[in-house]
Amino acid sequence: GNSVTQMEGPVTLSEEAFLTINCTYTATGYPSLFWYVQYPGEGLQLLLKATKADDKGSNKGFEATYRKETTSFHLEKGSVQVSDSAVYFCARYNFNKFYFGSGTKLNVKP
Amino acid sequence: NAGVTQTPKFQVLKTGQSMTLQCAQDMNHEYMSWYRQDPGMGLRLIHYSVGAGITDQGEVPNGYNVSRSTTEDFPLRLLSAAPSQTSVYFCASSYTGQGEHNEQFFGPGTRLTVL
Repeated sequence: GNSVTQMEGPVTLSEEAFLTINCTYTATGYPSLFWYVQYPGEGLQLLLKATKADDKGSNKGFEATYRKETTSFHLEKGSVQVSDSAVYFCARYNFNKFYFGSGTKLNVKP
Repeated sequence: NAGVTQTPKFQVLKTGQSMTLQCAQDMNHEYMSWYRQDPGMGLRLIHYSVGAGITDQGEVPNGYNVSRSTTEDFPLRLLSAAPSQTSVYFCASSYTGQGEHNEQFFGPGTRLTVL
């Protein structure tokens, strides 16, 4: 099948802590992979993306590497801030369809 | 550019009523799509379109119709609303195809309640 699985939340961290949100996918072919972020009351915004194996997407201190051998695209940030509190969605795209994970809520406390 | 716009922001319907959720984009994107967002289930694709005159089904198409008569507009129709269609609906657009240009841009969402 074609699906995206990400770790359930909520994830609660203190400011400056290290963040990892796991994401794995199943897909035929070679999907593009994305992380989107959703702030309260808003639509989703692209955070970063990778379009082929071993690519690393990065933005605002967040990083994720496209690992074809483990079919994973884990999101990491070395030092989170209160302003990073949001819901994070992993997604894949191929054959004209986007599939999203269920979302992981991140709470960062001062 | 206004980006992706959706109307209305909020809507309450009674079971059996019909309505159309509007979506428009001014970025000349070929690809447009509709999602519903439900707690714990992420976003699920309802219908999508790769260009004017072309539409196709996503994961959860039942109970919804779409059309794409212009590049800019992609309305979503609920023919006979059911309580199971209570959700937040997002429209999105992007360039088509694999590679660097398929970032999706999302509208602000429509919160629909069916009583």
